[in-house]
Order: sequence, then structure tokens, then C-alpha cells
Amino acid sequence: DTGVSQDPRHKITKRGQNVTFRCDPISEHNRLYWYRQTLGQGPEFLTYFQNEAQLEKSRLLSDRFSAERPKGSFSTLEIQRTEQGDSAMYLCASATAYNEQFFGPGTRLTVL
Amino acid sequence: DAKTTQPNSMESNEEEPVHLPCNHSTISGTDYIHWYRQLPSQGPEYVIHGLTSNVNNRMASLAIAEDRKSSTLILHRATLRDAAVYYCILRDVAGSQGNLIFGKGTKLSVKP
Repeated sequence: DTGVSQDPRHKITKRGQNVTFRCDPISEHNRLYWYRQTLGQGPEFLTYFQNEAQLEKSRLLSDRFSAERPKGSFSTLEIQRTEQGDSAMYLCASATAYNEQFFGPGTRLTVL
Repeated sequence: DAKTTQPNSMESNEEEPVHLPCNHSTISGTDYIHWYRQLPSQGPEYVIHGLTSNVNNRMASLAIAEDRKSSTLILHRATLRDAAVYYCILRDVAGSQGNLIFGKGTKLSVKP
């Protein structure tokens, strides 16, 4: 399968714990996006990478959130000191230039 | 970014055509009209996009009003697999990073 993959698919954690999600984009795609989606809402943009450079961050991305894309390949999204409000589906998408974005299946985070 | 307005939900019968409307009265000259859909428990997937002219692909057709203030996504023969949330999104590729701004979309139900 050459699509976008995300790991893990589901994560349950206790409030205050740190969690890290991984996204593997389509190999030739230089653009990578992270979105967050809560129940009944459309996805909301979090951050964007072009190759290894993080070029844009949404105001939704608080200081507890950090994202990396070393070597311009896979990306990780870390949430420190999780809160119940962080419970959501975290989606990764990749693209070339302004072409269509290909989304992964998402990581569903539940913070107890 | 210019916003879009879509009905919250629509129903269709299987094997009948479906017309999903989208209003975007504040669209700018550099905004492309994109449609994505999200099947249950999956990430969004690209459907179609256009600028001024009507567009067809294997999934759907996009009809764009002459003044570009509205558009319609047309599914020619709805199947049960087309039941999803459909998002109409404007993308200004002039000077933007290309992230998608999702609304709540239209939830399409397809009856057998």
C-alpha cells in the first residue's frame, strides 16, 4: 500500500501523559499537513511542512504540541501533558505543491 | 479565507443522481473550488476541483455558476458507498501554504 499511513490508529492515555503520533507520507510528496478533527466537526489545520521545514503553525497548536519532520520524510506530532480537550482524531495528509491532499486514516486519541 | 455554506444533510436513493450545493458568495478570483468527502471512520479523500469551467472525473462532476458564487457537486448514480460527509472548500493558491479549511460539510445518506 503506497498511501499515507499513521501509527498508532488508536491511543488511550491518562491526563498529564505525553503521547507521540507518527505519519508516513507518500514517498514523493514534499508537503505534509497535520489536522485535528473533533466529533461532528470538519478537520482543523494544525501545522504544515515543506520537506523538513515547518512553515506554518495554527494558533490551535499550543506550546504543549510539537511536530517534526526530520529529513523531510516521516513526521511526528507530540502532545505533552495531555488534557481531556486534546481528545480528537489527528489526521495527516501529504501532497505535491498545490495538488490534491492525500489523507491517512488518522490516530484517534482518547484522554481519560 | 472566503467561506462556504452547505446544507447540513441530504438524502438520496441508491442509483439516483445527487446534487450537492455549495454557496461561496465571497469567492475571490484566485480561489479554486475543491470537494473532499469523508467516509465513516476514514480520513477525507479528494473528489474534484475546478476554477471556472465545469469539470468531470471518474468520481463526480462539478458545475460552477457563471458568477462563481455557487457550485454543485453531482454524483451521477449514488451508491451506498457514497454515504459520507462532503466538504466544499475554497483554496487560494496565490501565496498560501495550501492547507485546507473545512466547514461542517453536508452529510449524505443513501437509501437502498
